[in-house]
Amino acid sequence: AQTVTQSQPEMSVQEAETVTLSCTYDTSESDYYLFWYKQPPSRQMILVIRQEAYKQQNATENRFSVNFQKAAKSFSLKISDSQLGDAAMYFCAYDVFSGTYKYIFGTGTRLKVLA
Amino acid sequence: KAGVTQTPRYLIKTRGQQVTLSCSPISGHRSVSWYQQTPGQGLQFLFEYFSETQRNKGNFPGRFSGRQFSNSRSEMNVSTLELGDSALYLCASREEGSNTEAFFGQGTRLTVV
Repeated sequence: AQTVTQSQPEMSVQEAETVTLSCTYDTSESDYYLFWYKQPPSRQMILVIRQEAYKQQNATENRFSVNFQKAAKSFSLKISDSQLGDAAMYFCAYDVFSGTYKYIFGTGTRLKVLA
Repeated sequence: KAGVTQTPRYLIKTRGQQVTLSCSPISGHRSVSWYQQTPGQGLQFLFEYFSETQRNKGNFPGRFSGRQFSNSRSEMNVSTLELGDSALYLCASREEGSNTEAFFGQGTRLTVV
């Protein structure tokens, strides 16, 4: 069975600094997708970044980038130039389409941004 | 396009009652999934519907059920509510295709007293 592990329940970062959130997963599939979602106090899950497993190049979206290590089954999120609006819960999610859609989520990391 | 809309946003029910939650997906999205979010169990998959058919179901008791209508709107129903059913229920919609991501609604906060 696929599993997703986020070992950091909470992280803090100073405004304008860089922080890295960790995620590891377990799967026997070779083709799958990984996502980072952000959940602010409004509760709505917002997609931050997506990585296709068949792509070796790490995904980047503005201040957000990932370090995808397929062999190690690791998928960390780096947030550069942290802003107060980045404060939220961050969830790592695994997805493989096998006739149905079903995310496997990690337990989340609460990110605090200090002014 | 309008986003995923869930109604109601908040709900308080008594043990033993039943409840129905509604989800309107993004226009054109035929897949609708439901997730339960609790502090103890995190985000857990409930079920997924596509073109009015349930394609997958998570490990939840039969008290949890759902359906999808021809316009892709979906409802989930929980019968004989228990205190442990108190949670945030999130709905997500997506387009069919392997390279798509899910778009989530703001959720329905259900409190069972």
